[in-house]
Amino acid sequence: GENVEQHPSTLSVQEGDSAVIKCTYSDSASNYFPWYKQELGKRPQLIIDIRSNVGEKKDQRIAVTLNKTAKHFSLHITETQPEDSAVYFCAASNPGGPYNTDKLIFGTGTRLQVFP
Amino acid sequence: KAGVTQTPRYLIKTRGQQVTLSCSPISGHRSVSWYQQTPGQGLQFLFEYFSETQRNKGNFPGRFSGRQFSNSRSEMNVSTLELGDSALYLCASSPQVQETQYFGPGTRLLVL
Repeated sequence: GENVEQHPSTLSVQEGDSAVIKCTYSDSASNYFPWYKQELGKRPQLIIDIRSNVGEKKDQRIAVTLNKTAKHFSLHITETQPEDSAVYFCAASNPGGPYNTDKLIFGTGTRLQVFP
Repeated sequence: KAGVTQTPRYLIKTRGQQVTLSCSPISGHRSVSWYQQTPGQGLQFLFEYFSETQRNKGNFPGRFSGRQFSNSRSEMNVSTLELGDSALYLCASSPQVQETQYFGPGTRLLVL
Protein backbone atom coordinates (compact mmCIF):
# COMPACT_ATOMS: atom_id res chain seq x y z
CA GLY A 1 0.00 0.00 0.00
CA GLU A 2 0.94 3.65 0.02
CA ASN A 3 3.88 4.50 2.27
CA VAL A 4 6.07 7.49 3.13
CA GLU A 5 9.40 6.89 4.81
CA GLN A 6 11.12 9.74 6.61
CA HIS A 7 14.72 9.99 7.83
CA PRO A 8 16.28 10.69 10.20
CA SER A 9 13.94 10.25 13.15
CA THR A 10 16.02 12.65 15.24
CA LEU A 11 18.43 15.35 14.18
CA SER A 12 20.59 17.58 16.34
CA VAL A 13 22.42 20.56 14.89
CA GLN A 14 24.28 23.58 16.14
CA GLU A 15 22.66 26.96 15.68
CA GLY A 16 23.63 28.36 12.28
CA ASP A 17 24.17 24.95 10.69
CA SER A 18 21.93 23.46 8.00
CA ALA A 19 19.46 20.63 8.52
CA VAL A 20 18.21 18.21 5.89
CA ILE A 21 15.29 15.81 6.25
CA LYS A 22 14.55 13.25 3.56
CA CYS A 23 11.38 11.41 2.58
CA THR A 24 10.61 8.73 0.04
CA TYR A 25 7.17 7.78 -1.19
CA SER A 26 5.81 4.68 -2.87
CA ASP A 27 2.90 5.87 -5.02
CA SER A 28 4.10 7.29 -8.33
CA ALA A 29 0.72 9.04 -8.69
CA SER A 30 1.48 11.33 -5.73
CA ASN A 31 1.63 14.93 -6.92
CA TYR A 32 1.52 17.10 -3.81
CA PHE A 33 4.14 17.12 -1.04
CA PRO A 34 3.62 19.37 2.00
CA TRP A 35 5.87 19.75 5.02
CA TYR A 36 4.46 20.46 8.47
CA LYS A 37 6.15 21.70 11.63
CA GLN A 38 4.70 20.68 14.99
CA GLU A 39 5.97 22.33 18.14
CA LEU A 40 5.43 20.60 21.45
CA GLY A 41 1.77 20.62 22.42
CA LYS A 42 0.72 22.51 19.30
CA ARG A 43 -1.00 21.71 16.04
CA PRO A 44 0.93 20.85 12.86
CA GLN A 45 1.49 23.94 10.74
CA LEU A 46 2.30 23.98 7.04
CA ILE A 47 5.73 25.48 6.40
CA ILE A 48 6.20 24.75 2.71
CA ASP A 49 4.76 22.55 -0.01
CA ILE A 50 5.64 21.54 -3.54
CA ARG A 51 3.71 20.11 -6.45
CA SER A 52 5.02 17.57 -8.91
CA ASN A 53 5.46 20.02 -11.77
CA VAL A 54 8.20 21.83 -9.82
CA GLY A 55 11.61 20.48 -8.82
CA GLU A 56 12.49 22.98 -6.12
CA LYS A 57 10.81 25.66 -4.05
CA LYS A 58 12.35 28.10 -1.61
CA ASP A 59 10.95 30.36 1.10
CA GLN A 60 13.60 32.33 2.98
CA ARG A 61 15.61 29.79 5.00
CA ILE A 62 13.48 26.83 3.97
CA ALA A 63 13.64 24.93 0.70
CA VAL A 64 12.14 21.72 -0.61
CA THR A 65 13.45 19.63 -3.49
CA LEU A 66 11.59 16.92 -5.35
CA ASN A 67 12.95 14.07 -7.46
CA LYS A 68 9.96 12.37 -9.08
CA THR A 69 12.05 9.75 -10.81
CA ALA A 70 13.55 8.56 -7.56
CA LYS A 71 10.33 9.27 -5.64
CA HIS A 72 11.98 11.27 -2.93
CA PHE A 73 11.79 14.82 -1.60
CA SER A 74 13.77 16.71 0.98
CA LEU A 75 13.43 19.66 3.34
CA HIS A 76 16.42 21.94 3.74
CA ILE A 77 16.67 24.47 6.56
CA THR A 78 19.63 26.84 6.44
CA GLU A 79 21.03 29.01 9.23
CA THR A 80 19.05 27.09 11.83
CA GLN A 81 17.83 28.86 14.95
CA PRO A 82 16.68 27.47 18.32
CA GLU A 83 13.06 28.29 17.40
CA ASP A 84 13.35 25.81 14.51
CA SER A 85 13.36 23.04 17.14
CA ALA A 86 10.21 20.97 16.57
CA VAL A 87 8.97 17.78 14.94
CA TYR A 88 8.79 17.99 11.15
CA PHE A 89 6.46 15.81 9.11
CA CYS A 90 6.55 15.22 5.39
CA ALA A 91 3.49 14.02 3.53
CA ALA A 92 2.58 12.83 0.06
CA SER A 93 -0.81 12.92 -1.60
CA ASN A 94 -2.35 9.59 -2.47
CA PRO A 95 -5.30 9.56 -4.86
CA GLY A 96 -7.99 6.99 -4.32
CA GLY A 97 -11.44 6.29 -3.02
CA PRO A 98 -14.64 6.37 -5.04
CA TYR A 99 -14.06 10.01 -5.99
CA ASN A 100 -10.33 9.58 -6.69
CA THR A 101 -9.49 12.43 -4.33
CA ASP A 102 -6.24 12.73 -2.45
CA LYS A 103 -5.54 11.77 1.09
CA LEU A 104 -2.29 12.74 2.75
CA ILE A 105 0.07 9.99 3.85
CA PHE A 106 2.45 11.28 6.49
CA GLY A 107 5.98 10.28 7.33
CA THR A 108 6.73 9.31 10.92
CA GLY A 109 8.34 12.65 11.75
CA THR A 110 11.80 14.02 12.50
CA ARG A 111 12.55 15.60 15.85
CA LEU A 112 14.92 18.49 15.14
CA GLN A 113 16.88 20.02 17.99
CA VAL A 114 18.88 23.16 17.40
CA PHE A 115 21.43 23.89 20.13
CA PRO A 116 22.52 27.48 20.79
CA LYS B 1 -10.53 34.44 9.90
CA ALA B 2 -10.79 32.20 12.90
CA GLY B 3 -8.81 29.00 12.65
CA VAL B 4 -10.00 25.43 12.83
CA THR B 5 -11.53 24.65 16.21
CA GLN B 6 -12.09 21.31 17.87
CA THR B 7 -14.13 20.33 20.91
CA PRO B 8 -13.61 19.01 23.43
CA ARG B 9 -9.88 19.51 23.84
CA TYR B 10 -9.46 16.69 26.33
CA LEU B 11 -11.53 13.62 27.02
CA ILE B 12 -11.24 10.61 29.32
CA LYS B 13 -13.34 7.53 28.62
CA THR B 14 -13.35 3.90 29.64
CA ARG B 15 -13.17 0.84 27.44
CA GLY B 16 -16.42 -0.01 25.72
CA GLN B 17 -17.78 3.51 25.78
CA GLN B 18 -18.29 5.65 22.70
CA VAL B 19 -17.16 9.18 21.99
CA THR B 20 -18.06 11.99 19.59
CA LEU B 21 -15.55 14.65 18.60
CA SER B 22 -16.41 17.89 16.83
CA CYS B 23 -14.54 20.01 14.31
CA SER B 24 -15.44 23.46 12.98
CA PRO B 25 -13.49 24.34 9.83
CA ILE B 26 -12.23 27.74 8.79
CA SER B 27 -15.10 29.80 7.41
CA GLY B 28 -15.54 29.04 3.72
CA HIS B 29 -13.64 25.76 3.84
CA ARG B 30 -15.69 22.85 2.60
CA SER B 31 -13.28 19.94 3.00
CA VAL B 32 -12.57 18.40 6.41
CA SER B 33 -10.12 15.58 7.05
CA TRP B 34 -9.53 13.67 10.26
CA TYR B 35 -6.24 12.17 11.49
CA GLN B 36 -5.16 10.08 14.45
CA GLN B 37 -1.78 10.97 15.95
CA THR B 38 0.04 8.57 18.26
CA PRO B 39 3.71 8.47 19.30
CA GLY B 40 4.19 5.08 17.69
CA GLN B 41 2.23 5.47 14.45
CA GLY B 42 2.55 9.17 13.70
CA LEU B 43 -0.25 10.89 11.80
CA GLN B 44 -2.69 8.50 10.19
CA PHE B 45 -5.52 9.46 7.88
CA LEU B 46 -9.01 8.54 9.04
CA PHE B 47 -11.39 10.07 6.50
CA GLU B 48 -12.20 13.13 4.45
CA TYR B 49 -15.53 14.86 3.94
CA PHE B 50 -16.58 17.35 1.32
CA SER B 51 -20.08 18.73 0.89
CA GLU B 52 -21.44 16.24 3.45
CA THR B 53 -20.01 13.27 1.51
CA GLN B 54 -17.22 10.99 2.66
CA ARG B 55 -14.77 11.11 -0.22
CA ASN B 56 -11.91 9.07 1.12
CA LYS B 57 -11.27 6.70 3.98
CA GLY B 58 -8.19 5.36 5.71
CA ASN B 59 -7.50 1.89 7.05
CA PHE B 60 -9.40 2.04 10.31
CA PRO B 61 -12.06 -0.37 11.60
CA GLY B 62 -15.75 0.38 11.23
CA ARG B 63 -15.86 1.56 14.86
CA PHE B 64 -14.55 4.85 13.50
CA SER B 65 -17.16 6.86 11.65
CA GLY B 66 -17.85 10.44 10.80
CA ARG B 67 -20.18 12.87 9.15
CA GLN B 68 -20.30 16.39 7.88
CA PHE B 69 -23.12 18.86 8.18
CA SER B 70 -24.39 21.39 5.67
CA ASN B 71 -22.38 24.15 7.39
CA SER B 72 -19.21 22.05 6.85
CA ARG B 73 -18.81 21.27 10.55
CA SER B 74 -17.79 17.67 11.05
CA GLU B 75 -18.03 15.08 13.77
CA MET B 76 -16.26 11.79 14.22
CA ASN B 77 -17.50 8.98 16.39
CA VAL B 78 -15.62 6.07 17.89
CA SER B 79 -17.73 3.26 19.32
CA THR B 80 -16.69 0.47 21.68
CA LEU B 81 -13.51 2.25 22.70
CA GLU B 82 -10.30 0.27 23.12
CA LEU B 83 -7.16 1.21 25.03
CA GLY B 84 -5.34 1.60 21.71
CA ASP B 85 -7.70 4.38 20.68
CA SER B 86 -5.93 6.74 23.08
CA ALA B 87 -4.47 9.39 20.82
CA LEU B 88 -4.59 12.97 19.66
CA TYR B 89 -7.34 13.35 17.06
CA LEU B 90 -6.72 16.16 14.62
CA CYS B 91 -8.98 17.59 12.01
CA ALA B 92 -7.85 19.75 9.13
CA SER B 93 -9.83 21.90 6.73
CA SER B 94 -9.16 23.17 3.24
CA PRO B 95 -11.15 25.33 0.82
CA GLN B 96 -11.58 22.50 -1.67
CA VAL B 97 -10.28 18.98 -1.87
CA GLN B 98 -6.62 18.58 -2.75
CA GLU B 99 -5.64 21.99 -1.42
CA THR B 100 -3.54 23.06 1.55
CA GLN B 101 -4.88 21.69 4.82
CA TYR B 102 -4.98 23.71 8.04
CA PHE B 103 -5.03 21.77 11.29
CA GLY B 104 -7.06 22.30 14.43
CA PRO B 105 -5.55 22.01 17.94
CA GLY B 106 -6.77 18.46 18.33
CA THR B 107 -8.75 16.49 20.88
CA ARG B 108 -6.66 14.39 23.22
CA LEU B 109 -8.54 11.18 24.05
CA LEU B 110 -7.48 8.91 26.87
CA VAL B 111 -9.14 5.51 27.16
CA LEU B 112 -8.80 3.80 30.54
